[in-house]
Amino acid sequence: AQSVTQLGSHVSVSEGALVLLRCNYSSSVPPYLFWYVQYPNQGLQLLLKYTSAATLVKGINGFEAEFKKSETSFHLTKPSAHMSDAAEYFCAVNAGGKLQFGAGTQVVVTP
Amino acid sequence: DGGITQSPKYLFRKEGQNVTLSCEQNLNHDAMYWYRQDPGQGLRLIYYSQIVNDFQKGDIAEGYSVSREKKESFPLTVTSAQKNPTAFYLCASSIDGGNTDTQYFGPGTRLTVL
Repeated sequence: AQSVTQLGSHVSVSEGALVLLRCNYSSSVPPYLFWYVQYPNQGLQLLLKYTSAATLVKGINGFEAEFKKSETSFHLTKPSAHMSDAAEYFCAVNAGGKLQFGAGTQVVVTP
Repeated sequence: DGGITQSPKYLFRKEGQNVTLSCEQNLNHDAMYWYRQDPGQGLRLIYYSQIVNDFQKGDIAEGYSVSREKKESFPLTVTSAQKNPTAFYLCASSIDGGNTDTQYFGPGTRLTVL
């Protein structure tokens, strides 16, 4: 079975500081991994996805993620946090055409 | 404008009543999905459909039913058998349900049982 684990249900970051959200996957086959963002009372929006073409994936809003097979990780980063980055972030793995989501990480950005 | 619409945005239901949530997409996608979201639990798959007139149970299908009579529509019925239906419900669609497919989400319906 494929699954993802997100470390940290809440992360607080200062405006302008590095954003790092951790995601580890469990998969017996090459995984396809996704990061989504959700603003309050809205649906999810795709930030980026890994489909084995390149290990460093660039997404929208300045986010990027690196696939590390040796660490079974797909951590999401952004060099400089903005107030508009305050949201909940979900890592997901595609398991046979169905997405398995992590529990999510709530990001708070402080001035 | 292409996208996914869900209605209503907020829904209140008395215990023992069935209620149907609407999901419509004009993206010409074959695959559609229903998820339930509860605080601290991420999203859990209720039902999915990869083609008209066919659908499969997800991880938490008990107490729910769906139909897929048209490509663009995938309504979800929350029945009285669902023991704890209060949650945020999200509908999504993708091109064909493949492994690298991106799922596009609607704005959600918040259901509250009174």
